[in-house]
Amino acid sequence: SYVVTQPPSVSVAPGKTATITCGGKNIGSKSVHWYQQRPGQAPVLVIFYDDDRPSGVPERFSGSNSGDTATLAISRVEAGDEADYYCQVWDTTSDHPVFGGGSKLTVL
Amino acid sequence: QVQLQESGPGLVKPSETLSLTCAISNGSIGSYYWTWIRQSPGRGLEWIGYIYYTGITNYSPFFQSRVTISLDTSKKQFSLRMNSVTTSDTAVYYCARVTGDIDYHYFDSWGQGTLVTVST
Repeated sequence: SYVVTQPPSVSVAPGKTATITCGGKNIGSKSVHWYQQRPGQAPVLVIFYDDDRPSGVPERFSGSNSGDTATLAISRVEAGDEADYYCQVWDTTSDHPVFGGGSKLTVL
Repeated sequence: QVQLQESGPGLVKPSETLSLTCAISNGSIGSYYWTWIRQSPGRGLEWIGYIYYTGITNYSPFFQSRVTISLDTSKKQFSLRMNSVTTSDTAVYYCARVTGDIDYHYFDSWGQGTLVTVST
């Protein structure tokens, strides 16, 4: 089955740009979705279809997807962005979703 | 904005059956898939299965032998039953709505999650 890989942790200073990657074979041919999960809370969709933002998600959140890597970028990082971030694709062969293992974003 | 709310026992004994329900409000049940996802303590998200509004189901191979997801359109709710639970099934269980184009689905609304502990 399809596998996506994320770095376990990413650290960034406040005000800088955080980038979180999601790797998979030819992932650029799939749509990648991203979820933010703050401690003790349910996941929240922040990016869908590679680079679309749901209403209410700040423009600081953006996504891209090409080749074997999709990327979530968070510009002007704030303390409130500290959370776990998960990427997700849909495996068309099995008709199942596939989640990355999650990346913990730490704001220094 | 659709809202989802999980309910069910927070404690289940080993070898027994875990039963949870997800109530859907402020939204239609039709034309969507409805799904269960769990998260073991300190771990990532693990997909369990989904049910389409027509009743068609699809389960993760990991759970297929002991899980059933059902839908009650009249009550606007769907349910999860997992039998023969072990302590490894201790987790926060989320219900969620699946949306998006075929082959590009994503989860746009989630319940708050409910912790189920498997213990004697």
